[in-house]
Amino acid sequence: DAGVIQSPRHEVTEMGQEVTLRCKPISGHNSLFWYRQTMMRGLELLIYFNNNVPIDDSGMPEDRFSAKMPNASFSTLKIQPSEPRDSAVYFCASSRTGERTEAFFGQGTRLTVV
Amino acid sequence: SQQGEEDPQALSIQEGENATMNCSYKTSINNLQWYRQNSGRGLVHLILIRSNEREKHSGRLRVTLDTSKKSSSLLITASRAADTASYFCAEGNSGNTPLVFGKGTRLSVIA
Repeated sequence: DAGVIQSPRHEVTEMGQEVTLRCKPISGHNSLFWYRQTMMRGLELLIYFNNNVPIDDSGMPEDRFSAKMPNASFSTLKIQPSEPRDSAVYFCASSRTGERTEAFFGQGTRLTVV
Repeated sequence: SQQGEEDPQALSIQEGENATMNCSYKTSINNLQWYRQNSGRGLVHLILIRSNEREKHSGRLRVTLDTSKKSSSLLITASRAADTASYFCAEGNSGNTPLVFGKGTRLSVIA
């Protein structure tokens, strides 16, 4: 398996622009998580899906952030409009429910908003 | 949320020494998981210990779990420079709730 695949790996955009981050979870995993990591706040959970359904988006910082999972193999995290304080590394992770619930992380998208 | 808190925040040791990191948690758990993150990369699962286990080994890793104290420790024996990374713990269960991570322990192994 190729693991969790995120794209792009790096994104530099100007303030006010729309940013879309993409994630392909591991086949067969039914839970998907979006995290954001900064030096100041560490690794924050933004939102997670079970069986393509958003379960908890309380970690989404503002209405500028939205996430979708149209099918079991694809999810997007969109920021519109982007702001400099959104600069961070965004991780997608997937897992399977059951006895072993370890999460598998993608390589992350490093977002810089200037 | 199910968040582990790692201690110490940073640890610097010489190659060949052992490194011990601790984790405290607050809720009842099904399992406790340890992850590693190399600089600029995603987290990688290291080891999972179930709530009915007290100790588990995997290569140079040894994990202990004390559910009465709600604490766990990760021991890396005979450390190597390549072990330099951040280490995180997280409480897990068999349901669909997500793993929530603390700030981690930054381990530096000096050659």
